[in-house]
This record gives sequence, structure tokens and C-alpha cells, in this order.
Amino acid sequence: KQEVTQIPAALSVPEGENLVLNCSFTDSAIYNLQWFRQDPGKGLTSLLLIQSSQREQTSGRLNASLDKSSGRSTLYIAASQPGDSATYLCAVKDTGNQFYFGTGTSLTVIP
Amino acid sequence: SAVISQKPSRDICQRGTSLTIQCQVDSQVTMMFWYRQQPGQSLTLIATANQGSEATYESGFVIDKFPISRPNLTFSTLTVSNMSPEDSSIYLCSVEGGQILGGYTFGSGTRLTVV
Repeated sequence: KQEVTQIPAALSVPEGENLVLNCSFTDSAIYNLQWFRQDPGKGLTSLLLIQSSQREQTSGRLNASLDKSSGRSTLYIAASQPGDSATYLCAVKDTGNQFYFGTGTSLTVIP
Repeated sequence: SAVISQKPSRDICQRGTSLTIQCQVDSQVTMMFWYRQQPGQSLTLIATANQGSEATYESGFVIDKFPISRPNLTFSTLTVSNMSPEDSSIYLCSVEGGQILGGYTFGSGTRLTVV
């Protein structure tokens, strides 16, 4: 069974800093990987999706990379802002269309 | 792209009662997914709802506790029955597709507190 882990569980950075969130998965036979943002008590907002054949995707200040062979993905946030404060979840879709969520990283950007 | 309207957004319920959560999608979708997110935890899939057939429940979830309806390709409900404080969670519906092709779109979530 696929297991998805995110490190660190919580992160606090000053405004303007660049940061990296990590996601690792145990089975490299994935279909795609998606990064989400979740504000407290709210639903999920999709940020980026990387297909298994891709190495990275970019959207604005966000860049997600995928190294399928090593079972890792990173989400890079440039020039962080207080509005980026949220929990970030990665989710892996396997080749059987099952969807596995990571444990999340709670990010706080300090003004 | 699929947009999901989920309601209620939050509720506080007495133990022993039931709550029905609704999700409306603005396009036809084959499968809808229901998740639970307990406090401080990640998401756990409760069941997959297909139109015209019984929902498929994941291990640890049963139809008597979480009955699901899927009357058409744009709508589904999840009922949390005979609630206890342990059912306090965020419940989310999801469909495949949406703004990111091949990805999943989620409703805004229902924050349930059972007292």
C-alpha cells in the first residue's frame, strides 16, 4: 500500500523567505501527484499537478518537482507572504486510480 | 472545469442525531468521492459514489453509519448517522477533474462538531 509522508509537519518562516516543502511516497508506480492548500477548517484548493512523466510544474511563485525514482516531490514557494499561511497537502494517484494523501505541512509566514 | 458546491459549511449537532451533507457539481461526473478529515489528521476516503449503483465503502466505514445517495450525475449526499463526538471532523466531497486536468477538485468542506 502506498504511504505518503510530508516533512516537516510544521514550518514557520519570516515574510519574504523562500521555502521548500517535502513529500515522499513509498511506491514509485504513480499516475500523478497533486499539491493542495487547505486553510483552517476549509476544503482543499488545488495548486499544481505533476504527471508521472513530468519533472516539474510552475504556477506563479510556486514550483513543484517530481523525482519518481526516489519517491520524492518538493513544493518550492518563492518570496513567501503571510497569505501563504495554510496547510499544504500532497496527494499521489496510483496506477489503479487510488488517491493517497500525505500528512500535511502547516506553514506560518510571519509578517 | 468542475465546480463543487457543498453545504452546510459547518454545523453543531447533538449526539444521536443525523446530518446530511450535500454536494452539487456544475457538470456531470461519473464518480464522486467522500472524505473525512479528523482533527489534526490527513484525509481518509469514506466511499466512492457512482450514479445508479450502491456506493463502495472503504475499510472501516459502513453504509448504516454513512449512507450515501447519488440520484444523478451532478449530485450526492452523505449522511452521518447516530452521531457521537468521535464523528467531529471535516467532511469533504471530491470529483476527478476541474481546473487541473487529471487532478481532483474538492468541495469547500463541512465542519461538523458533535456535542
